Amino acid sequence: QPVLTQPPSASASLGASVTLTCTLSSGYSHYKVDWYQQRPGKGPRFVMRVGTGGIVGSKGDGISDRFSVLGSGLSRNLSIKNIQEEDESDYHCGADHGSGSNFVSVFGGGTKLTVL
Amino acid sequence: QITLKESGPTLVKPTQTLTLTCTFSGFSLSTSGMGVAWIRQPPGKALEWLALIYWDDDKRYSPSLKSRLTITKDTSKNQVVLTMTNMDPVDTATYFCAHRDVTTIDTTYYGPWGQGALVTVSS
Repeated sequence: QPVLTQPPSASASLGASVTLTCTLSSGYSHYKVDWYQQRPGKGPRFVMRVGTGGIVGSKGDGISDRFSVLGSGLSRNLSIKNIQEEDESDYHCGADHGSGSNFVSVFGGGTKLTVL
Repeated sequence: QITLKESGPTLVKPTQTLTLTCTFSGFSLSTSGMGVAWIRQPPGKALEWLALIYWDDDKRYSPSLKSRLTITKDTSKNQVVLTMTNMDPVDTATYFCAHRDVTTIDTTYYGPWGQGALVTVSS
């Protein structure tokens, strides 16, 4: 099954832009990845899905146009422009693997985004 | 609007069995394509997928925890129950339930999620 690698932390100034990275382990370059935002003390919420061609399907409910994704090779990145205080959250990437009795969902370690 | 809410004990002793209930609204688990998953998050750590149940009672489990987990549904009550046996302090975590729609290939993400239920395992 794939391993999803995320840096533990990132920071950006108010109004700036930031790219959060999620890297698939070797051999899984065709996998799509889901991004989730988790505000402090809340359950995660779906942001959007990314494949090598970019966004797959629709953004989650209420997700700002300031959020976008880019997929290339083993990277499935989430970008946020014009960062706002409300964007300070933990961001998780996740992917499905296998089918039938071998199905699992896996998540990265999460990145804590601090807005300066 | 789909909502989910987890309920259960906040404290369990080592070796005990944990029973968590996810009560949801806005969809029916008798509708084709619907599913509910359980995912946990130890304090300050990553999300860990545990189990998933579908409208047709098809079930999936984390391979590393499969022997300890049971997921069931009560369609009439709009509830999904997760039991985890032989609890250990390392199982201390916030447990989330989440909706999953496999009607189309592009909607198979987890969402929405409940607010989570913190379970502490301690004697």
